[in-house]
Amino acid sequence: GQQLNQSPQSMFIQEGEDVSMNCTSSSIFNTWLWYKQDPGEGPVLLIALYKAGELTSNGRLTAQFGITRKDSFLNISASIPSDVGIYFCAGLGSGTYKYIFGTGTRLKVLA
Amino acid sequence: GAGVSQTPSNKVTEKGKYVELRCDPISGHTALYWYRQSLGQGPEFLIYFQGTGAADDSGLPNDRFFAVRPEGSVSTLKIQRTERGDSAVYLCASSLKGFTGELFFGEGSRLTVL
Repeated sequence: GQQLNQSPQSMFIQEGEDVSMNCTSSSIFNTWLWYKQDPGEGPVLLIALYKAGELTSNGRLTAQFGITRKDSFLNISASIPSDVGIYFCAGLGSGTYKYIFGTGTRLKVLA
Repeated sequence: GAGVSQTPSNKVTEKGKYVELRCDPISGHTALYWYRQSLGQGPEFLIYFQGTGAADDSGLPNDRFFAVRPEGSVSTLKIQRTERGDSAVYLCASSLKGFTGELFFGEGSRLTVL
């Protein structure tokens, strides 16, 4: 099935560093969701974006709905060990019910 | 309960057997989704319910897969004549607003077909 492209695929960072990742699509989306998934668990919703250009924060996390509506970005500031996991984006186009998920960004934080 | 509940959490079966996976959504959520996640991949859409009806089942891979939601709450994903390629984590999600809303996922049911 169709999946959105997420970059980077994986990253190792030092505790305290800031993290940036993005998600791109060939289609225009009206909604972007960002999730974190730990091993053996379901995805947990972090941030929802509904408007082009929108910038939304949730604690140390900030996400942006790209102006072109074909991309979205997630930033994590001052990373901590519990930020380890896989981060997924999901996009929803107009006239559809299907959220399309990205391929995931695997984050590892070195203490 | 407060969140989406899925049972069983793990299911091991033999090739050719029939399997049922259950999802109990968040109370009051009218929209319910099933996704499938293979190892190292993002979730892939299977089917979407709004109320009791399947509004979009275009993600079901073939006619061995079927899902119901008879009373608009609990849903069951049914897989007939299981194949080894069906092995994956089956995720259920519910949403308050339907197709414009946020999806809240359960812990998933891990299916292993031997």
